[in-house]
Amino acid sequence: GENVEQHPSTLSVQEGDSAVIKCTYSDSASNYFPWYKQELGKGPQLIIDIRSNVGEKKDQRIAVTLNKTAKHFSLHITETQPEDSAVYFCAASPLSGYSTLTFGKGTMLLVSP
Amino acid sequence: GAVVSQHPSRVICKSGTSVKIECRSLDFQATTMFWYRQFPKKSLMLMATSNEGSKATYEQGVEKDKFLINHASLTLSTLTVTSAHPEDSSFYICSARMAGGTFNEKLFFGSGTQLSVL
Repeated sequence: GENVEQHPSTLSVQEGDSAVIKCTYSDSASNYFPWYKQELGKGPQLIIDIRSNVGEKKDQRIAVTLNKTAKHFSLHITETQPEDSAVYFCAASPLSGYSTLTFGKGTMLLVSP
Repeated sequence: GAVVSQHPSRVICKSGTSVKIECRSLDFQATTMFWYRQFPKKSLMLMATSNEGSKATYEQGVEKDKFLINHASLTLSTLTVTSAHPEDSSFYICSARMAGGTFNEKLFFGSGTQLSVL
């Protein structure tokens, strides 16, 4: 089955800095890679996702890059703000079929004012 | 955007009692719903997949008689923790897949239920 590794487990940055979270996956059949943000006591919220037919996707301050050959994908947050502080999870799965999402272990991002 | 409502958000119960958690898709139909368990500072652990009108599929190691799942309609799935014990204390999260979407896109999460068993 799929195995998703996520690093770092914690990340502290100053407001305005950039933050990068990296994930690797093992199953070459995976072609859908979402990122979720989870605030304390709440469920995960999808913030951005990417399919394997593109290498990069941007949405304002958030971007995701994918390297299919190396089987890794990254989340980039620019101009970080204190409200970006949360736990971020990457996930991987085939886009179709009966496989479920496999989540990474999460990264706690702390943005200090 | 699509909303998944999960209730209750927090429940405290005595050991031996049963607790029901509801997961509703408010503005879309969900053919499939998922139930996860999350321990503090840990990732989401899939417990079971429920398809409307059929029996849930449980992940290895999850007791189906302990965690009863019912998905009676396209907008509602329930998880009942039967005869709860302190080791069942955890954060439970549901997610719903919008009908018609490709498989793992259109997946929306509820806000979670913190269960504490005394």
